[in-house]
Amino acid sequence: GAVVSQHPSRVICKSGTSVKIECRSLDFQATTMFWYRQFPKQSLMLMATSNEGSKATYEQGVEKDKFLINHASLTLSTLTVTSAHPEDSSFYICSARVAGAYEQYFGPGTRLTVT
Amino acid sequence: AQSVTQLGSHVSVSEGALVLLRCNYSSSVPPYLFWYVQYPNQGLQLLLKYTSAATLVKGINGFEAEFKKSETSFHLTKPSAHMSDAAEYFCAVMDPVGYSTLTFGKGTMLLVSP
Repeated sequence: GAVVSQHPSRVICKSGTSVKIECRSLDFQATTMFWYRQFPKQSLMLMATSNEGSKATYEQGVEKDKFLINHASLTLSTLTVTSAHPEDSSFYICSARVAGAYEQYFGPGTRLTVT
Repeated sequence: AQSVTQLGSHVSVSEGALVLLRCNYSSSVPPYLFWYVQYPNQGLQLLLKYTSAATLVKGINGFEAEFKKSETSFHLTKPSAHMSDAAEYFCAVMDPVGYSTLTFGKGTMLLVSP
């Protein structure tokens, strides 16, 4: 149980284009989802927290207009990187949590490369 | 604010040797503490967690950790390393009030040699 999937696992896009990453909780309802960014050989940095049906809460320094997060249902959250640039290339990981619980379940990550 | 410090960005052990990965936390309240493992190009897998019950916590794959309040530590150990244990390990802390967000340490790469 408690499986989180991400799609795509890898994506390459050209500079200036937008790319959408999906995060799904497959066997539970996730009232809260988190999006992290991980640079090579570094730790995970929380980008934003999203609650189903609400606007996401972004961490300081994260551009909300660049990283659009939607959490429209209890099983799906999306992260859209708008007007991507090479410096946005990174490993993006989502996690999901059920209401009243503390444990987060992590997805397998999405490798974004912007050329 | 809470934080964790992982001593040593890399730890090298021989197969069969003891594994010790260090984690110290800073928190104004007794925190929840977690150890995660990450294999290359994969997400995080929970190894074990401390949530204010038993101070010695046993996890998956033979790992365990002991919460020591006096030392503000939560070190991860395994008696005998396997080649398959080679991965990145992250310690994380959470304020249990309100089930807040996780704050991760910088990670420790465990290298296992034959």
